[in-house]
Amino acid sequence: AQSVTQLGSHVSVSEGALVLLRCNYSSSVPPYLFWYVQYPNQGLQLLLKYTTGATLVKGINGFEAEFKKSETSFHLTKPSAHMSDAAEYFCAVTVPSGNTPLVFGKGTRLSVIA
Amino acid sequence: EPEVTQTPSHQVTQMGQEVILRCVPISNHLYFYWYRQILGQKVEFLVSFYNNEISEKSEIFDDQFSVERPDGSNFTLKIRSTKLEDSAMYFCASGGIGGFQPQHFGDGTRLSIL
Repeated sequence: AQSVTQLGSHVSVSEGALVLLRCNYSSSVPPYLFWYVQYPNQGLQLLLKYTTGATLVKGINGFEAEFKKSETSFHLTKPSAHMSDAAEYFCAVTVPSGNTPLVFGKGTRLSVIA
Repeated sequence: EPEVTQTPSHQVTQMGQEVILRCVPISNHLYFYWYRQILGQKVEFLVSFYNNEISEKSEIFDDQFSVERPDGSNFTLKIRSTKLEDSAMYFCASGGIGGFQPQHFGDGTRLSIL
């Protein structure tokens, strides 16, 4: 079975500062990893994904994440926070199968201070 | 870009009543899912559906719940005899084939049981 741990339920950064949201996973097989963002009263929007290949993946809105197998991590970063980045961020894991469900972390709420 | 659409956006129902939540997945997708998110908690998998049958379900998805794809476009979640603890945001998702395709989520239906 897979699991995801997101360290920090709430992260607050200043506008222009580095964003770092932490995600550690557990999986008995090579995982597929995802970051989703949820803006207030909206659904889950895919930010980026890692399946195979390059371990540094780039997503929308300037976000990127690096898959580190040795650390079982998939942390999300953005060099410079923008006010519009304030949202809830979810890390999710699944395995390479056609329709295996996603297992989500508890989410991290990102606040951006002007 | 194609979207998953869910209706209604908000449903208020008396305890004990039946509700049907509706979803229109992305048209060429073959895998369909329901997830729920109780307020303040993480997103949890309920059920996946492929080739007109349930392919996987969680322990949450008991006899109170059922899913159906009544026609070529809609995918529904029925909750019978609703309970207060069924109050949550319910998300529909769909996924394609051809390599691994990420799941695309709708904006959700907020279900409030009174």
